[in-house]
Amino acid sequence: AQSVTQLDSQVPVFEEAPVELRCNYSSSVSVYLFWYVQYPNQGLQLLLKYLSGSTLVKGINGFEAEFNKSQTSFHLRKPSVHISDTAEYFCAVLDGDGQNFVFGPGTRLSVLP
Amino acid sequence: DVKVTQSSRYLVKRTGEKVFLECVQDMDHENMFWYRQDPGLGLRLIYFSYDVKMKEKGDIPEGYSVSREKKERFSLILESASTNQTSMYLCASSLSYLPGPAGYTFGSGTRLTVV
Repeated sequence: AQSVTQLDSQVPVFEEAPVELRCNYSSSVSVYLFWYVQYPNQGLQLLLKYLSGSTLVKGINGFEAEFNKSQTSFHLRKPSVHISDTAEYFCAVLDGDGQNFVFGPGTRLSVLP
Repeated sequence: DVKVTQSSRYLVKRTGEKVFLECVQDMDHENMFWYRQDPGLGLRLIYFSYDVKMKEKGDIPEGYSVSREKKERFSLILESASTNQTSMYLCASSLSYLPGPAGYTFGSGTRLTVV
């Protein structure tokens, strides 16, 4: 069965610093990949997605992610974070055969002034 | 934009009570889902429904049931609430069974505390 690992449960970072949130998934022939963000006391919101094509995907709020098939990773990056980026971030993976949609455990990003 | 509305943001219930969590979507989506969210565990699928009166078990259905009498409404039922069901519950909907290009649309969540 597909599984998703987010190695860092919490990531503190100072405002305007760069950040990378890591996501790895178990091997699969083909996958679709998603990052969701959950702001405090809110539901999940789609941040970006990889379906096919360019391995570098740009999302909302200045975030981007790179699909690396050989490393089975889909790390999320932002070159300069803001206080408002404080939230929990979930990586999710859908098997290419559409049988399995799995969320990672989440990474709590805390942006410090 | 699709809107998914969960009727209660916070609920406190007593052990043994029957609890109803309601979810309504306004974009004629075929598929609706109930997840529970716990720290360190991410989101786990409880039940989903791909059509009116149709339901399928997810990964953790024990202690829960669902009802979908109308396309826009999907209810999660805790037959006899227990303290280990204290959690954040998230409803989601999608046009297709799988997330597809648009992914799921989530409600704001219901934080249930069972005392």
